[in-house]
Amino acid sequence: GAGVSQTPSNKVTEKGKYVELRCDPISGHTALYWYRQSLGQGPEFLIYFQGTGAADDSGLPNDRFFAVRPEGSVSTLKIQRTERGDSAVYLCASSHHGGYSSPLHFGNGTRLTVT
Amino acid sequence: GENVGLHLPTLSVQEGDNSIINCAYSNSASDYFIWYKQESGKGPQFIIDIRSNMDKRQGQRVTVLLNKTVKHLSLQIAATQPGDSAVYFCAEKDNAGNMLTFGGGTRLMVKP
Repeated sequence: GAGVSQTPSNKVTEKGKYVELRCDPISGHTALYWYRQSLGQGPEFLIYFQGTGAADDSGLPNDRFFAVRPEGSVSTLKIQRTERGDSAVYLCASSHHGGYSSPLHFGNGTRLTVT
Repeated sequence: GENVGLHLPTLSVQEGDNSIINCAYSNSASDYFIWYKQESGKGPQFIIDIRSNMDKRQGQRVTVLLNKTVKHLSLQIAATQPGDSAVYFCAEKDNAGNMLTFGGGTRLMVKP
């Protein structure tokens, strides 16, 4: 079956520009997560959705980062006024439900490069 | 993502040998643990999970051991194959069950 799909797979943008990253979760999965992974590091939590609402956004680094999931399926991560330090791989994951013992299934990520 | 494992500890094993990858966690409230495999250019792939009420769980060629006393988790891979070469991450959830926190990762290299 189809896994988590992320588009684009690569994005190069100039410092100061706005970017949107898209995630299509596994059908039927109510929980959706965004993570960020820098070179040589493990993924770091950004935000978690249960349905349409952001249940936990404690990992967003600052107010330049925002994410939405208006219909409880596709999610978009939005980054305003990008900085070179935002360069990383942005991973999306979904799970059947957000609770205990529900493993996350990851997409292949969007590699963002800010020049 | 790309070039995962560039600065990670590396375990090098001969094809056919068994591999053991270790992970220490610090949050005593963590009660669900997952091992992920990540190949270059791909997202983490679920391997096996274990709840805190267990100390061992076996899958196909993989075994996860959990020692809650010393907050230690290990992944054992039997008869390691070249296709097992990747970066391996342990991850934990606390009893709220929402956020998954990843460890630093270990790069496994399998020599043919």
